[in-house]
Amino acid sequence: DVKVTQSSRYLVKRTGEKVFLECVQDMDHENMFWYRQDPGLGLRLIYFSYDVKMKEKGDIPEGYSVSREKKERFSLILESASTNQTSMYLCASSPPGTSGRARYEQFFGPGTRLTVL
Amino acid sequence: DAKTTQPPSMDCAEGRAANLPCNHSTISGNEYVYWYRQIHSQGPQYIIHGLKNNETNEMASLIITEDRKSSTLILPHATLRDTAVYYCIVRVPSTGNQFYFGTGTSLTVIP
Repeated sequence: DVKVTQSSRYLVKRTGEKVFLECVQDMDHENMFWYRQDPGLGLRLIYFSYDVKMKEKGDIPEGYSVSREKKERFSLILESASTNQTSMYLCASSPPGTSGRARYEQFFGPGTRLTVL
Repeated sequence: DAKTTQPPSMDCAEGRAANLPCNHSTISGNEYVYWYRQIHSQGPQYIIHGLKNNETNEMASLIITEDRKSSTLILPHATLRDTAVYYCIVRVPSTGNQFYFGTGTSLTVIP
């Protein structure tokens, strides 16, 4: 079974702190993703990565950065946490996509609920 | 702008079919429709996907209209364990296979 793990299920930080959220996958997937999930807004893509050291902005990258030094690990960084970054953060991984009919699935971790005070 | 629109909540009696609608009126020809569900405190999990033909697997059926502007996820015999948030998603191959999530439908299966 594919496993995507996230470093913490719950995290409480103070405004202005630098926050690291870690995600590790064990299926040698090329693609990794960070989403945030808020009530009434669904999942919104923050950043994604096709390969080691490669990153692409998603729909809401402001206030975040990412790091992918190894294929299995994708980190989300909040340089200076703010209260509006209180949210559930979900990491996902997937193999390379295909344009054909083959199933292309993103596998999600359990999420990290971050509270910024 | 959201690529999909879903009703925020629905109820379904246990044992009956649950029909969850989704509108994706701006979908392009090469964009797939995916459905995921999220049970409380877990990450979303894959259910089914399709392009233009109806699809069925062991979990559900997916009915896509001929003009592809809407689809319906059908859970044929809903159980209490099907209570979850169901997301209708458009997969866009041209942008690195990004998933565009809707806001989801919270399905409650009632005993």
